[in-house]
Amino acid sequence: QQPVQSPQAVILREGEDAVINCSSSKALYSVHWYRQKHGEAPVFLMILLKGGEQKGHDKISASFNEKKQQSSLYLTASQLSYSGTYFCGTEYLMDSNYQLIWGAGTKLIIKP
Amino acid sequence: DGGITQSPKYLFRKEGQNVTLSCEQNLNHDAMYWYRQDPGQGLRLIYYSQIVNDFQKGDIAEGYSVSREKKESFPLTVTSAQKNPTAFYLCASRRRDRAHDDYTFGSGTRLTVV
Repeated sequence: QQPVQSPQAVILREGEDAVINCSSSKALYSVHWYRQKHGEAPVFLMILLKGGEQKGHDKISASFNEKKQQSSLYLTASQLSYSGTYFCGTEYLMDSNYQLIWGAGTKLIIKP
Repeated sequence: DGGITQSPKYLFRKEGQNVTLSCEQNLNHDAMYWYRQDPGQGLRLIYYSQIVNDFQKGDIAEGYSVSREKKESFPLTVTSAQKNPTAFYLCASRRRDRAHDDYTFGSGTRLTVV
């Protein structure tokens, strides 16, 4: 089942912070985060493999709460370049195979 | 630089026609994927291949076919049986080893039925 991303869209001023959530109804093995700019290929941001794992680079970080089966992406002091649609991909075990399903995306617009 | 090349960027199809979307990678990745992207629905898996000469149906395989005769190439055919083919199609490969686990996506093909 598709993970639920929230919010669906958010508009920020440059320098403001944003949090994007990704929730699954299944026990997760990993969570992937990607950003896609309009008409372009999605670009890898990070993968979180363990419950409670946190990762980050620059001012973008993420956490993975295994018990709650959810992950959050944090964008701090947002820049214009952060605009785009953010997708989470949740990976879980089904019938001895790992399946990865993508969320519907969160559209982030950063205004000067 | 290594990457995934999708062609064409834009494709127009008449009703009843089959069309083939090209996907080539020079990353030496074993796993390749085809996704369909519609507004507000994220990425839906059409087909995937973990190894040459083998592929599996994804969630929305009806009306599509693929082949994987070479590691580098994973073409997708949209057949006339696909009733609503207008969409953005993304090809991807996955690198999975001790140090990495990530997807590389192509720039996509926008298919429009005319």
